[in-house]
Amino acid sequence: AQKITQTQPGMFVQEKEAVTLDCTYDTSDPSYGLFWYKQPSSGEMIFLIYQGSYDQQNATEGRYSLNFQKARKSANLVISASQLGDSAMYFCAMREGGTSGSRLTFGEGTQLTVNP
Amino acid sequence: SQTIHQWPATLVQPVGSPLSLECTVEGTSNPNLYWYRQAAGRGLQLLFYSVGIGQISSEVPQNLSASRPQDRQFILSSKKLLLSDSGFYLCAWSLNEGYTFGSGTRLTVV
Repeated sequence: AQKITQTQPGMFVQEKEAVTLDCTYDTSDPSYGLFWYKQPSSGEMIFLIYQGSYDQQNATEGRYSLNFQKARKSANLVISASQLGDSAMYFCAMREGGTSGSRLTFGEGTQLTVNP
Repeated sequence: SQTIHQWPATLVQPVGSPLSLECTVEGTSNPNLYWYRQAAGRGLQLLFYSVGIGQISSEVPQNLSASRPQDRQFILSSKKLLLSDSGFYLCAWSLNEGYTFGSGTRLTVV
């Protein structure tokens, strides 16, 4: 079974508008972490934002915010005021259990295109 | 500051040839180290991870192997490459919460 599901293979957004990228996850572990990464065409993986399962508030980092709905097991990424440079592949990932030796499981990604 | 180095950036190898990709980390001690592979347009698949020198865990059966001869060195190897080994290989390290990725190696097996 998929642990991380990203249902949007591709998304389009107009410059300066907000966009939401969906992510749902599946785990029975009470302690986990959720990550979003951006991968431009160069291939590098750029960390965007992190949400811990026990965090009471939604994480925010500049124009990025994470809409964490624990009961629904969703962790959607919201990008406000989209910029042309936001065009890239976006991956949701989950770390289960403790941090020691824990590995990230990735979704299949969403290709975001920002139109001028 | 911590940095991660991965090389080479691109590699074209014939089927049946050996492979050695190296990843080194600087500025930290006893990190967890990972090798991921990414097929074109797909997500990252974990191949190996290591919590210490000589300790390697394999996530999927495959034609590849990994070694950690030193604390901050992680090597991905193959004795004989297959066409299906083509892909984008990413090394990563973690300590506590964060995960940092190398710049990747794009491997094409011909």
